[in-house]
Amino acid sequence: DTGVSQNPRHKITKRGQNVTFRCDPISEHNRLYWYRQTLGQGPEFLTYFQNEAQLEKSRLLSDRFSAERPKGSFSTLEIQRTEQGDSAMYLCASSSRLAPSDTQYFGPGTRLTVL
Amino acid sequence: QQPVQSPQAVILREGEDAVINCSSSKALYSVHWYRQKHGEAPVFLMILLKGGEQKGHEKISASFNEKKQQSSLYLTASQLSYSGTYFCGTDTSSNTGKLIFGQGTTLQVKP
Repeated sequence: DTGVSQNPRHKITKRGQNVTFRCDPISEHNRLYWYRQTLGQGPEFLTYFQNEAQLEKSRLLSDRFSAERPKGSFSTLEIQRTEQGDSAMYLCASSSRLAPSDTQYFGPGTRLTVL
Repeated sequence: QQPVQSPQAVILREGEDAVINCSSSKALYSVHWYRQKHGEAPVFLMILLKGGEQKGHEKISASFNEKKQQSSLYLTASQLSYSGTYFCGTDTSSNTGKLIFGQGTTLQVKP
């Protein structure tokens, strides 16, 4: 068990560019979550997958955001036409539906800075 | 919908105790507690399921009052390593596991 990994750890981009982040969950975890965290705030739910199915997406997530988990393993989060307001830490977490109440284990996050 | 944590910040000396509260206006299925240090990912501490069960983890324990939709995290004989920001994450459904986090409580333990 190597834990949840995320790449890249840091991303600096210019406004208007597209960015893509990757999350590799703990092996055999069938649920995968994306959260966004800004300075001084708690993580904010974005979306989650059970296996390859995206089951819920936050209303706060604009159409510029899209997430995939094509084979039920790793997931990608893409932000198109980035804006300065997108600057945040993007956290991925995974859990096993078999565990009581879905204990979620977080990855180290990807810090996005939009200039 | 976001749970409310209190206090917002606590400063302790080593060996002192602290209590962090988390209140929700919605019926909860479970409460999850995490600690996050600056620049790092949140680290899972414990889950409280509805039923008022109290759990313990070394010198850190928690309770969940289902009637009040409130959870409390108890830190006893605090250590320097306890410093960080504590978040409660609340789950209102047994199906999704989606967590709504509070705004956090910053704990600083001084020697």
